Amino acid sequence: NAGVTQTPKFQVLKTGQSMTLQCAQDMNHEYMSWYRQDPGMGLRLIHYSVGAGITDQGEVPNGYNVSRSTTEDFPLRLLSAAPSQTSVYFCASSFDGQGPSPLHFGNGTRLTVT
Amino acid sequence: DAKTTQPPSMDCAEGRAANLPCNHSTISGNEYVYWYRQIHSQGPQYIIHGLKNNETNEMASLIITEDRKSSTLILPHATLRDTAVYYCIGSITQGGSEKLVFGKGTKLTVNP
Repeated sequence: NAGVTQTPKFQVLKTGQSMTLQCAQDMNHEYMSWYRQDPGMGLRLIHYSVGAGITDQGEVPNGYNVSRSTTEDFPLRLLSAAPSQTSVYFCASSFDGQGPSPLHFGNGTRLTVT
Repeated sequence: DAKTTQPPSMDCAEGRAANLPCNHSTISGNEYVYWYRQIHSQGPQYIIHGLKNNETNEMASLIITEDRKSSTLILPHATLRDTAVYYCIGSITQGGSEKLVFGKGTKLTVNP
């Protein structure tokens, strides 16, 4: 059981480039989400999805797009990378996002934008 | 989410119990207390959660005071691999649009 898998583990981009961070889970979880973690800021919610075909914005959505065409996958797209998007990105999933379903996190993608 | 307060750091000897406190005096009646930990460079890992009663699982025990204003996470026999940052969170759900505030947590160092 792989859990939540994120790729790539590391990425360096130049300002203005675009890329997609991949996230896949094999637990048949309905709820998936993306967070970024910056020093001293804790985890901040970017986008989330409560099921295939449904997405919504979190606390810091600007500069990022998501889609959820399948239950398993929830990719995060950076449209035009900026140095302020240098961060560690975590994908997480839970059974349904309701009640006390705990979150399962991937091991992160470390992104540097120069 | 309820505001939580944790000590910034703690030390524990290997094999001894690690007791990590958390104050959450503003927690509301329907907010659960969750504990996660983050080992260096890895994603946060769920440990345990509770509402009113004490809880135990294969990883830890959670003791919640009767007034729910504070709780203690207990790692009964700490190992070197338990060295991590431990986060206490008060939250109704773990998903949706609810902001998940991890804060700074407690850095637990288990010493040999």
